Amino acid sequence: DAKTTQPPSMDCAEGRAANLPCNHSTISGNEYVYWYRQIHSQGPQYIIHGLKNNETNEMASLIITEDRKSSTLILPHATLRDTAVYYCIVIIWRTYKYIFGTGTRLKVLA
Amino acid sequence: DAGVIQSPRHEVTEMGQEVTLRCKPISGHDYLFWYRQTMMRGLELLIYFNNNVPIDDSGMPEDRFSAKMPNASFSTLKIQPSEPRDSAVYFCASSFTGNEKLFFGSGTQLSVL
Repeated sequence: DAKTTQPPSMDCAEGRAANLPCNHSTISGNEYVYWYRQIHSQGPQYIIHGLKNNETNEMASLIITEDRKSSTLILPHATLRDTAVYYCIVIIWRTYKYIFGTGTRLKVLA
Repeated sequence: DAGVIQSPRHEVTEMGQEVTLRCKPISGHDYLFWYRQTMMRGLELLIYFNNNVPIDDSGMPEDRFSAKMPNASFSTLKIQPSEPRDSAVYFCASSFTGNEKLFFGSGTQLSVL
């Protein structure tokens, strides 16, 4: 599975968009990009995933570059409850072997 | 739906004792995963099952660890004998074929003294 690189931490002002980058330069054609987050002491929570097209759901948007070597998770209007560790994972469809890296610790500031 | 249910929520034991962690996946899910989380190593996949059969146990640290899934609604992770370095949060997650999302439980905080 391709490895991912994320900044260890980021801050974002409440109400502003939070843009979390992820580098996955060794991604292969059949690997999807998944994002999860973990709020302190809870189990990780699924956010969104995509293959090559941009995706949006009620939680966030996922922008994948055309060469698929990087992606950005966008929380359009961050709230204090979005403070969490965000994990970017690449995985072959239906292999289920999710490997979580160290993630990005996002702190939303009031 | 109650989600993935893990028990106990907290476990404190002494070195050398047997520890059993329990997990009830979401009804209808055919995949079950056990993860361990520590500050040093982050979230590690220990083992996962499909239709109650272990598919990949390459993450199980050593023979002291064993996991079973006797039926679709129950799984256990056993550590015997336990050691202080086993102290961690153990998460169980489930999923179903075609969905690809993991649904995590609240975890078991294990402390081995």
